[in-house]
Amino acid sequence: QKEVEQNSGPLSVPEGAIASLNCTYSDRVSQSFFWYRQYSGKSPELIMSIYSNGDKEDGRFTAQLNKASQYVSLLIRDSQPSDSATYLCAVADGGYQKVTFGTGTKLQVIP
Amino acid sequence: NAGVMQNPRHLVRRRGQEARLRCSPVKGHSHVYWYRQLPEEGLKFMVYLQKENIIDESGMPKERFSAEFPKEGPSILRIQQVVRGDSAAYFCASSPAAGNEKLFFGSGTQLSVL
Repeated sequence: QKEVEQNSGPLSVPEGAIASLNCTYSDRVSQSFFWYRQYSGKSPELIMSIYSNGDKEDGRFTAQLNKASQYVSLLIRDSQPSDSATYLCAVADGGYQKVTFGTGTKLQVIP
Repeated sequence: NAGVMQNPRHLVRRRGQEARLRCSPVKGHSHVYWYRQLPEEGLKFMVYLQKENIIDESGMPKERFSAEFPKEGPSILRIQQVVRGDSAAYFCASSPAAGNEKLFFGSGTQLSVL
């Protein structure tokens, strides 16, 4: 059973701080990694994708991937109250690309 | 520029009734995924379909649940003889092609079984 593990939180950070969200996965053949943001009562929306080891930056967001450690993270710089949401880590294999989601980490940014 | 359309938004059924959830993917997308989400939980994969084909239904219960994505029309997730444990949010997502895992989600259908 392929698994994606996340700390459920809540993770509380003050406004302006860096929020660090972590995710581990069990399937070594996983090829693609994603972070989705889900506001309460809403559908998930893709915010970052990463496919190779290292860092990928997009605005205030940085995704980090370490395939050897089977670890992927998301950093949110200058956190804003509007960033308060649940962040879902998702992993796709190299086959037909079934996407498996973690349980999500709830982030609270305190004004 | 319509995204993924799901209907109904809310569906109430009594135990033993049938529930039909519809999903129209983004125009041009031929790949559809169904996920179930319970409160405070992540998205649980149910089934992956391409036009007229079920590619992976490993996450879908063997009994009472079925899914289709016909050549014409929306994808349908059908739950027969619903039970209270079926109450959840059901999300549909689409992607344009195999190898493109960026999923575009619909707004979901909240199923409540009385």
